[in-house]
Parts: sequence; structure tokens; C-alpha cells
Amino acid sequence: GNSVTQMEGPVTLSEEAFLTINCTYTATGYPSLFWYVQYPGEGLQLLLKATKADDKGSNKGFEATYRKETTSFHLEKGSVQVSDSAVYFCALRGQGYNKLIFGAGTRLAVHP
Amino acid sequence: SQTIHQWPATLVQPVGSPLSLECTVEGTSNPNLYWYRQAAGRGLQLLFYSVGIGQISSEVPQNLSASRPQDRQFILSSKKLLLSDSGFYLCAFGRRAGELFFGEGSRLTVL
Repeated sequence: GNSVTQMEGPVTLSEEAFLTINCTYTATGYPSLFWYVQYPGEGLQLLLKATKADDKGSNKGFEATYRKETTSFHLEKGSVQVSDSAVYFCALRGQGYNKLIFGAGTRLAVHP
Repeated sequence: SQTIHQWPATLVQPVGSPLSLECTVEGTSNPNLYWYRQAAGRGLQLLFYSVGIGQISSEVPQNLSASRPQDRQFILSSKKLLLSDSGFYLCAFGRRAGELFFGEGSRLTVL
């Protein structure tokens, strides 16, 4: 079945450091891929998405490229801020399905 | 614009008591609706989803049930809560582009 695997956290960085959160997936066909962010005490917000191979999703300085050859969708940001501290979830929607499968989430803590 | 609201935001209930969490969507018709649970320090688990009024699919066997009495209303219920039902419950609706839009969440503590 479809599944998503994220790197375990927490990830602790200093402000302005480079961020990578790894995400790999297992799915048949051509799934759509998503990154969501959850700030403390809140629901999830869509951060970015990609719907086909080699697409790059980007938003608020975050980027992720849909790599079918490595079944990956790693999240990157060149310079993190304290306000980026949150839990990040990678998710996929299988081709022809109407459900999202989420990874376990990765907690990011950014210190001044 | 499309919005989603769920309530109550916070709930503390004794073991064995009933539960009702409500979710409503505005600005869209016939949405796909979802209930997810996030246990402390863990990821999201899909509990139920619905593609129309009265149509409920359960993803995992459990102590909870869901109902969709109206097109834009989705209710999560339990007759008798267990300690293991504690968690953060999230309602969501599906947008045409495939992503989900989530409500603010309801934190349930069962004592």
C-alpha cells in the first residue's frame, strides 16, 4: 500500500541555517505529494505541493522537488527563521484516490 | 471563500462518557470530508472519510463513529470514551486540486 516515511526529529537549527527534511514515499502510479506545517496548538496548513514528476513546489522560501526516480520529496529552505519552528508533515495522495496518507511528522526547532 | 470550523476546541471528559465533535464547511458543496486523529508526539491517522451525505468509510476499527447528516456537516462521536481516545482531532475537506484544508482542531483529554 501507499506510505510515507519522514526523517525523525526533532531537528534543531540556529537561525539562518540551511534546512533539509527528508521524505520518501511508496506508491503505485503517479501520486500527488504535499508538505503541511503545524504550528503549536493549531491545525495543519498546506505549505506546498507537487502533482507530477520533476515539479517543484515552493512557498515562503521552502521548496521541494518531486523525484520519481528516488521516490522522494525532500523539504528545503536556505535560511530558517525562529518563526519556522513547527511540525512538518509530508503527505501523498495516491493516483485515483481521495485520501491523503501522512508521514509521522518532523519537529523543527529554530533558535536565535 | 471556503472555510471550515470545528468545535469544541478543547474538551476534558471522564472515561465512559459520550463524545460529540462537530465540523462544518462553508463556501463549497458536496465536499469530501475527513476526520484525522493525532496522538501525542505521533503523526496523523485517518479515522473516517465521507464522499456524500450518509456515506461514511471507516479506516480503522475503534471506539468511534462518524456521521454526515448534512452536506457540509461531519460529526465524530463515541458512546463511551476510553483513555486511548485522547488526542488532537482534525477535520478536513478536500479541495478540487487534491489537497486537504484543515480545521483548527479539537483537543480531547480523557481522564
